[in-house]
Amino acid sequence: NAGVTQTPKFQVLKTGQSMTLQCAQDMNHEYMSWYRQDPGMGLRLIHYSVGAGITDQGEVPNGYNVSRSTTEDFPLRLLSAAPSQTSVYFCASSYSMNRDRVRGYTFGSGTRLTVV
Amino acid sequence: AQTVTQSQPEMSVQEAETVTLSCTYDTSESDYYLFWYKQPPSRQMILVIRQEAYKQQNATENRFSVNFQKAAKSFSLKISDSQLGDAAMYFCASRTEYGNKLVFGAGTILRVKS
Repeated sequence: NAGVTQTPKFQVLKTGQSMTLQCAQDMNHEYMSWYRQDPGMGLRLIHYSVGAGITDQGEVPNGYNVSRSTTEDFPLRLLSAAPSQTSVYFCASSYSMNRDRVRGYTFGSGTRLTVV
Repeated sequence: AQTVTQSQPEMSVQEAETVTLSCTYDTSESDYYLFWYKQPPSRQMILVIRQEAYKQQNATENRFSVNFQKAAKSFSLKISDSQLGDAAMYFCASRTEYGNKLVFGAGTILRVKS
């Protein structure tokens, strides 16, 4: 089925470890984003991309890296995990506003990350 | 900058009754889009309803409708005939015409009592 695929669904890391959260979409969406969800704070934007080779920082980028070498994939890298990065992470994608203004974003199922 | 504010952390409604969730937003752009997303315990993000700012008519999707007050920058969600399956976290979000970002409010937990 077409959609956004996130892996893994759950992960426990030790402080200082690094890891990559994977995100792939098969809808040929130009825009892709990573959000983190924390209680009482909604979803906050970490990084986003408007197309292959183009990324930019969101509201809470520190401690995270992204790259977008293909239209389909947008991995999120935690460089040195900290307990403050314990959260639920969502990847989302959408068409550009020129192609579809109103459909909004399609979300992956989320990754629950715990850093101990 | 875009901001979205949901001032109700929690709301409760009796089954079959009507409930309204509040949302206010701020943007400097003249054209934008507003959304309500539902997040049940499964964590899935489900688009409930959307509103284009240039349309004066309020959007409606079955039991869900919005009250869009552009001058007041208010975008409330009304759920009629509430059902147990409506219990979830609800997020209000905005996206500008030239924006690449979907900006969210803090969310409102809706509890439905039987």
